[in-house]
Amino acid sequence: EAQVTQNPRYLITVTGKKLTVTCSQNMNHEYMSWYRQDPGLGLRQIYYSMNVEATDKGDVPEGYKVSRKEKRNFPLILESPSPNQTSLYFCASSLNERGTGELFFGEGSRLTVL
Amino acid sequence: DAKTTQPNSMESNEEEPVHLPCNHSTISGTDYIHWYRQLPSQGPEYVIHGLTSNVNNRMASLAIAEDRKSSTLILHRATLRDAAVYYCILRDNAGKSTFGDGTTLTVKP
Repeated sequence: EAQVTQNPRYLITVTGKKLTVTCSQNMNHEYMSWYRQDPGLGLRQIYYSMNVEATDKGDVPEGYKVSRKEKRNFPLILESPSPNQTSLYFCASSLNERGTGELFFGEGSRLTVL
Repeated sequence: DAKTTQPNSMESNEEEPVHLPCNHSTISGTDYIHWYRQLPSQGPEYVIHGLTSNVNNRMASLAIAEDRKSSTLILHRATLRDAAVYYCILRDNAGKSTFGDGTTLTVKP
């Protein structure tokens, strides 16, 4: 089954404790992207990757890092999480970066930073 | 950056058509218009997309204004399972995507 898998689905952590949210897709997609969803603000793009070793900033990249060492994986790294990074995070993938492609989303990772 | 504007909420009766509007007055010539919907506790799900011409698929129709500054998602016969938050998104050809705030659709039996 074609899918985008995120882990963990739920996480409570404390300020400053580094964490990684993993994202994996099994569709051989070139393009992957991370979003955060906050009440009243909709979804905002954090980082995206058009292929292995190619990443770019979205609209809200501050406080986040990403890497794309393999085509299927695109982890989101919070080096020193802060309470304002409490949010619902979604990973998505698409065949390519062009607008013709449908985005496939994971089920989300709810992060709480205390 | 391109931005989309949608009404916060809309209501429909079951088995009636629903027209969900989206304004994107700053759209650029290469931006594609996408629509996704999100059910509670799930990730957004693709509905339809287009560039200039109107589009139809098994889920919905997309009507795009001639100047491309607005679009309308049309659900031909709303069902209770269509109750969701609907997002209008602009995707460019370089990886960036801009979401609207979404319209919460309520379907009444």
